[in-house]
Amino acid sequence: DAGVIQSPRHEVTEMGQEVTLRCKPISGHNSLFWYRQTMMRGLELLIYFNNNVPIDDSGMPEDRFSAKMPNASFSTLKIQPSEPRDSAVYFCASSLRGAGNTIYFGEGSWLTVV
Amino acid sequence: SQQGEEDPQALSIQEGENATMNCSYKTSINNLQWYRQNSGRGLVHLILIRSNEREKHSGRLRVTLDTSKKSSSLLITASRAADTASYFCATYTGGFKTIFGAGTRLFVKA
Repeated sequence: DAGVIQSPRHEVTEMGQEVTLRCKPISGHNSLFWYRQTMMRGLELLIYFNNNVPIDDSGMPEDRFSAKMPNASFSTLKIQPSEPRDSAVYFCASSLRGAGNTIYFGEGSWLTVV
Repeated sequence: SQQGEEDPQALSIQEGENATMNCSYKTSINNLQWYRQNSGRGLVHLILIRSNEREKHSGRLRVTLDTSKKSSSLLITASRAADTASYFCATYTGGFKTIFGAGTRLFVKA
C-alpha cells in the first residue's frame, strides 16, 4: 500500500492567502485525523473523521480553519485567510478502526506563511 | 494539556549502547503506543501495549507499562546511528483522541 499521501509537501504563502492541504488516506481505513506539529505546542489533533463524518473538531483553532472529507479517499484542510502563526507541519493520518488503534501518518505538509 | 510526558527531553548515546525513554501520564488508559519520527518525516508506529499488559517486545525494542505508577518505558537495545530520531508516547483513554507527548530526541553517535 502507498500509505497516507499528502500534498503539497511544502508550501510558502503570503499572509491572507487561502491554503488548501490535501490528503488521501490508506484504502480501507475508516478513521482520518488532521494533526498540527509545532515546536512550541507539539503534536495537536485538529479534527477527527469517522466514516467521512467529522466526529471531533474541538482542536480546530478558529473559524479560519475548515476540513472536509467528501469521500472515503480524500480530505482537505483549508486555512482562509492564513496568518504567520499558522506556520507548522500539518499531518494527515488514518487508522483502520478509530483513535485507539495504530495510526498511520503521512509525510506532512510543511506550511510557511510570510 | 498533554496526557503523556516523555523523559528525558533529549538523549545522546554512543552506538551500541542501550537507550531508555520514559513516559508518564495522568489518567487511566486503554492502551499506550510508541512512535518514532525521523527528521522531516511523519510519525511511524513502533509498538502498542494494552493496559492489561506489562511488557512487550519487538526486535530491539522493549516496552514496559506500569499502570500503578502511570508510566511506560521504551528501551532500545544495541542502538544504531539509524535510531537517531524523536520518540513519542501516545495514550488512548477511549473516545476519539490519542494524545501524543512532547517526545524525546535521541541522538546516537557513530
